[in-house]
Amino acid sequence: GDSVTQMEGPVTLSEEAFLTINCTYTATGYPSLFWYVQYPGEGLQLLLKATKADDKGSNKGFEATYRKETTSFHLEKGSVQVSDSAVYFCALSDALTGGGNKLTFGTGTQLKVEL
Amino acid sequence: SQTIHQWPATLVQPVGSPLSLECTVEGTSNPNLYWYRQAAGRGLQLLFYSVGIGQISSEVPQNLSASRPQDRQFILSSKKLLLSDSGFYLCAWRGLAMGGELFFGEGSRLTVL
Repeated sequence: GDSVTQMEGPVTLSEEAFLTINCTYTATGYPSLFWYVQYPGEGLQLLLKATKADDKGSNKGFEATYRKETTSFHLEKGSVQVSDSAVYFCALSDALTGGGNKLTFGTGTQLKVEL
Repeated sequence: SQTIHQWPATLVQPVGSPLSLECTVEGTSNPNLYWYRQAAGRGLQLLFYSVGIGQISSEVPQNLSASRPQDRQFILSSKKLLLSDSGFYLCAWRGLAMGGELFFGEGSRLTVL
């Protein structure tokens, strides 16, 4: 079945440091890929997405490129801020699931940014 | 614009008591609806999804059930809660015209004592 593997956290960085959170996936067909962010006590918010190979999703300084050859969708940001502290989830949607269109999530990576 | 609401936001219940969590979506019609659970320190587990009124698919066998009595209403229930039912429950919707992403509610935190 489909699966998503994320690097384990917590990841602790100093403000303005470079961020990479690794995500790899296993899926049949041609999934869409997503990054979601969850701030403490809140639901998940869509951060960015990519729907086909070589697409780059970007939002709020975060970027991720859909790499079919390495089945990866790593999240990057050039300069993190304290306000980026949150849990980040990588997810995929299998286009072959028909009406369900379920998302499969990774276990999440907690990011802590310190001054 | 579309919005999704869940309630209650926080719930503390004794073991063996019933449960009802409600989710409603506004600003769209015939959405796919989902219930996920997030246990402490773990990822998201899909519990149920629905593609229409009265149509419920269960992903894992468990102590919970779901119902969709109206197009934009999705309810998660239990007749008798277990300690293992504690967690953060998230409702989500997916519009048919969207790119595949889900949009989540604020979540409901359930503690079973």
